[in-house]
Amino acid sequence: GENVEQHPSTLSVQEGDSAVIKCTYSDSASNYFPWYKQELGKGPQLIIDIRSNVGEKKDQRIAVTLNKTAKHFSLHITETQPEDSAVYFCAASRGNKLTFGGGTRVLVKP
Amino acid sequence: DTAVSQTPKYLVTQMGNDKSIKCEQNLGHDTMYWYKQDSKKFLKIMFSYNNKELIINETVPNRFSPKSPDKAHLNLHINSLELGDSAVYFCASSQGQDGLGEQYFGPGTRLTVT
Repeated sequence: GENVEQHPSTLSVQEGDSAVIKCTYSDSASNYFPWYKQELGKGPQLIIDIRSNVGEKKDQRIAVTLNKTAKHFSLHITETQPEDSAVYFCAASRGNKLTFGGGTRVLVKP
Repeated sequence: DTAVSQTPKYLVTQMGNDKSIKCEQNLGHDTMYWYKQDSKKFLKIMFSYNNKELIINETVPNRFSPKSPDKAHLNLHINSLELGDSAVYFCASSQGQDGLGEQYFGPGTRLTVT
């Protein structure tokens, strides 16, 4: 089955700096790659996603890149703000089965 | 106006008991899911239903039995609870079953087995 590795597991950045989270996946048939943000005591919430026929997607301060050949994808957050502090999960989907990475706890220091 | 709701939010029970968690979505979605999040925050799918039909059944002990009375509800019943069942259980829903869209998660049910 699919295996998704996510790095780093924790990330501390200064407010205003950029944050980058990287994921690799194993199943070349995976065709959808969402990123979820989970705040304390809440369920995960989608922040951005990318399909396998697209290499890059941007939404305001958030961008995702996908390299299908290397089977890795990354989340980039620019101009980080304290409210960006949360746990971020990457995921890969084949059919409607989502396999999540292990999560990255991001702390933005004011 | 909650899109995906779960009850209860917290559940504390003893080993050996049987308990249920309920989930409802008012988004009109066709597909619903149960996920387990362990103490290390690792999220893993357990089950998925599309229009009341089971479509994903991961390697979950038989003590876990999902039930979907209609496409807006997906309940999770757990028999003979064990210490290792302690986790946060999330219900989610999505439109369609091709997997190419957002899954909306509920607030979670924190299950503690003592």
